[in-house]
Amino acid sequence: DAGITQSPRHKVTETGTPVTLRCHQTENHRYMYWYRQDPGHGLRLIHYSYGVKDTDKGEVSDGYSVSRSKTEDFLLTLESATSSQTSVYFCAISRPVGGAGGLNEQFFGPGTRLTVL
Amino acid sequence: AQSVTQLDSQVPVFEEAPVELRCNYSSSVSVYLFWYVQYPNQGLQLLLKYLSGSTLVKGINGFEAEFNKSQTSFHLRKPSVHISDTAEYFCAVSVDFGNEKLTFGTGTRLTIIP
Repeated sequence: DAGITQSPRHKVTETGTPVTLRCHQTENHRYMYWYRQDPGHGLRLIHYSYGVKDTDKGEVSDGYSVSRSKTEDFLLTLESATSSQTSVYFCAISRPVGGAGGLNEQFFGPGTRLTVL
Repeated sequence: AQSVTQLDSQVPVFEEAPVELRCNYSSSVSVYLFWYVQYPNQGLQLLLKYLSGSTLVKGINGFEAEFNKSQTSFHLRKPSVHISDTAEYFCAVSVDFGNEKLTFGTGTRLTIIP
């Protein structure tokens, strides 16, 4: 358990409404990630963060924005939700593993199931 | 850019039979390779990883994988599966050291037949 929580765990919303998903970690790791999981696509990286106020785009960033004002929180916002953003969203943190010469491993949160009607 | 291919979207296997889940990758630079498992309605859990050194990697729950650079493969194997192994398995690759952004395959759903 890497101390990662996501909220809400389930959300149903309507097209055009803003939605914010929260990822919280308790271990102060530098790197945090947002992925979406869709059938036939596996997990795809949306955005990631390498520190407070330091973020970058991933593979499928269109329609999403992120913010990280504190080390422990990484927020994902859908400014105007669309049905194509119905998905399961996973947050992950990257933390060092012993004996790996500095390489990190990613640990995942429990996920948020978002449905956009 | 790197990519991962998992050709088998579903693999049914009888209980106590062996299984191999295939993973091939494409990258112009050295890679780090991972297998994750996702049990129904849960998040992802790391099964095993290849960083360097021995090409045969052992993971949790009796799984192992072999890195084959010439064939750009990282197939996952287990000699005898159990009902509890029913899950979706994802192969992933990273090329960065320090910021291990992952590129995932599309997943293989392993179904164990009693």
